[in-house]
Amino acid sequence: DADVTQTPRNRITKTGKRIMLECSQTKGHDRMYWYRQDPGLGLRLIYYSFDVKDINKGEISDGYSVSRQAQAKFSLSLESAIPNQTALYFCATSDFGGVQHFGDGTRLSIL
Amino acid sequence: AQSVTQLGSHVSVSEGALVLLRCNYSSSVPPYLFWYVQYPNQGLQLLLKYTTGATLVKGINGFEAEFKKSETSFHLTKPSAHMSDAAEYFCAVSDAGANNLFFGTGTRLTVIP
Repeated sequence: DADVTQTPRNRITKTGKRIMLECSQTKGHDRMYWYRQDPGLGLRLIYYSFDVKDINKGEISDGYSVSRQAQAKFSLSLESAIPNQTALYFCATSDFGGVQHFGDGTRLSIL
Repeated sequence: AQSVTQLGSHVSVSEGALVLLRCNYSSSVPPYLFWYVQYPNQGLQLLLKYTTGATLVKGINGFEAEFKKSETSFHLTKPSAHMSDAAEYFCAVSDAGANNLFFGTGTRLTVIP
């Protein structure tokens, strides 16, 4: 089984819908991250959490929210999806050493 | 503030040729530097990292990178490209506390048979 699991892997939805992307990890790391990847822009940080009680905004948090339900679970929500949120979304975890471990991504399309 | 610039969004090399992917960073504090690789339909995997100590860092799959402080560079090289090296490569920087990573925009490597 993968160390960092993202569900769903693919999602197509309509403008205005609420969407939740889920991430779970078995690495025992305290730190978890959500990124979005767009062609030519690399990865941009949406939110990050250094422990269950710690939530921080990243570079592009507008339009997104997160919940850290447990050490192993970190979910990303789009409250009212819009087409420019169409992207590839990645969850990652790390320990204090800085190496981040990524899930396989969720490809989200908003029509 | 930290940032990374990757020169060349696409690089093509012949199989067996040298691979050179360029990365320059900006950091107001001593940086930690990383190279990640992304294969199609997969997440990012760590190739190598520099934190402190030896400036020439060896990674997986025959890749290596050299930290050059005077040039603020961390270029990735491999002496002989293999078809399986075709992927997208990302350079990233963080501060010494290794809090957050700042990624470059990526370089897509194509290997020509």
